[in-house]
Amino acid sequence: DTEVTQTPKHLVMGMTNKKSLKCEQHMGHRAMYWYKQKAKKPPELMFVYSYEKLSINESVPSRFSPECPNSSLLNLHLHALQPEDSALYLCASSEGNHNSPLHFGNGTRLTVT
Amino acid sequence: GQQLNQSPQSMFIQEGEDVSMNCTSSSIFNTWLWYKQDPGEGPVLLIALYKAGELTSNGRLTAQFGITRKDSFLNISASIPSDVGIYFCAPYSGAGSYQLTFGKGTKLSVIP
Repeated sequence: DTEVTQTPKHLVMGMTNKKSLKCEQHMGHRAMYWYKQKAKKPPELMFVYSYEKLSINESVPSRFSPECPNSSLLNLHLHALQPEDSALYLCASSEGNHNSPLHFGNGTRLTVT
Repeated sequence: GQQLNQSPQSMFIQEGEDVSMNCTSSSIFNTWLWYKQDPGEGPVLLIALYKAGELTSNGRLTAQFGITRKDSFLNISASIPSDVGIYFCAPYSGAGSYQLTFGKGTKLSVIP
């Protein structure tokens, strides 16, 4: 079992909906990440939080809004998404030392209708 | 931007055979990570490499950090059906980097 827990596992939402993806880790890691993965493609980095501060935003559209309430929790707020945003959204965490390995959750499978 | 080439893109092998895959780049890296992803799950870390020339094993898996720091390979010995999945290399570009870039993946199929 992964030590990074993501909820929900599946989410279907309309283009006018507002929803949130949640991620939790209790490994004491200080860096947390959101990745987006389309079918048959590698994961693509969206956001990085380091010590609860946003350190990287890979030019992600504003309809995706990350939030890190504390060092164990990471949210991704979704609003006015497009069908092309349908993908597997992966959360990951690492110790926070540069170049430390990432530990991934099993993702949220998002479908935008 | 950095070019990262992972090959082969896919492989079909008989159970019991050995497997080799690699990643090459024109850029220098100081850390190479190898992950495996099963359908419907997140990537799982297999091996982490931190020094040029480093050779590390994890059970039937062996990975090496190329001496030029621009490449890495992963070998799987005596493959079994549960080795099926997609294998990704993921190097870090340099000191102070949080930006982990993934190769395009190698899809492994094992024929019993």
